[in-house]
Amino acid sequence: SQQGEEDPQALSIQEGENATMNCSYKTSINNLQWYRQNSGRGLVHLILIRSNEREKHSGRLRVTLDTSKKSSSLLITASRAADTASYFCATARNDYKLSFGAGTTVTVRA
Amino acid sequence: ETGVTQTPRHLVMGMTNKKSLKCEQHLGHNAMYWYKQSAKKPLELMFVYNFKEQTENNSVPSRFSPECPNSSHLFLHLHTLQPEDSALYLCASSPPGTGDSPLHFGNGTRLTVT
Repeated sequence: SQQGEEDPQALSIQEGENATMNCSYKTSINNLQWYRQNSGRGLVHLILIRSNEREKHSGRLRVTLDTSKKSSSLLITASRAADTASYFCATARNDYKLSFGAGTTVTVRA
Repeated sequence: ETGVTQTPRHLVMGMTNKKSLKCEQHLGHNAMYWYKQSAKKPLELMFVYNFKEQTENNSVPSRFSPECPNSSHLFLHLHTLQPEDSALYLCASSPPGTGDSPLHFGNGTRLTVT
């Protein structure tokens, strides 16, 4: 069953701007992961944040996790045309199964 | 290159055909997965194999039949499919499941059922 739900469904920004997308989920989790999917390709893992962590950085990516609100955000700073893709959050409960949302489609305009 | 290779990339088949999708990984992973991705919908987990044993069948219709002969190879056998089965089928692998390991995905097979 779907656990994570991304918001917004679609986002269009100018190159150089920041992009923020959110993920909400319903039940307690072990960790939350963000993936990127370029058109016609598979998903690529970006970052994993555990339930006892509040913030993680990886290059131009910043992920926050608020377990009290059951929500996470992904921030992409100084966006580039190559960041155009769909972004998915996935939640892992105490078993090994990941539940994915429907994704946020990000378009970066030159 | 993701380390997970899926063939074919595209497949068109009639409802009475039988075809197979193939997935191969040489990452040393012991868990392999089939996901279905339809437009505007969350990824749907179909099957999970751990150490060649099926550990998850997510209520998938019997017209989809998985096979995992070893930890590096995974197949999805298709027969008498329906048009609504048209989708992107993604294979993924991971180290033995603790829930703490990211998935490595292939680029998928785009399936069209006519």
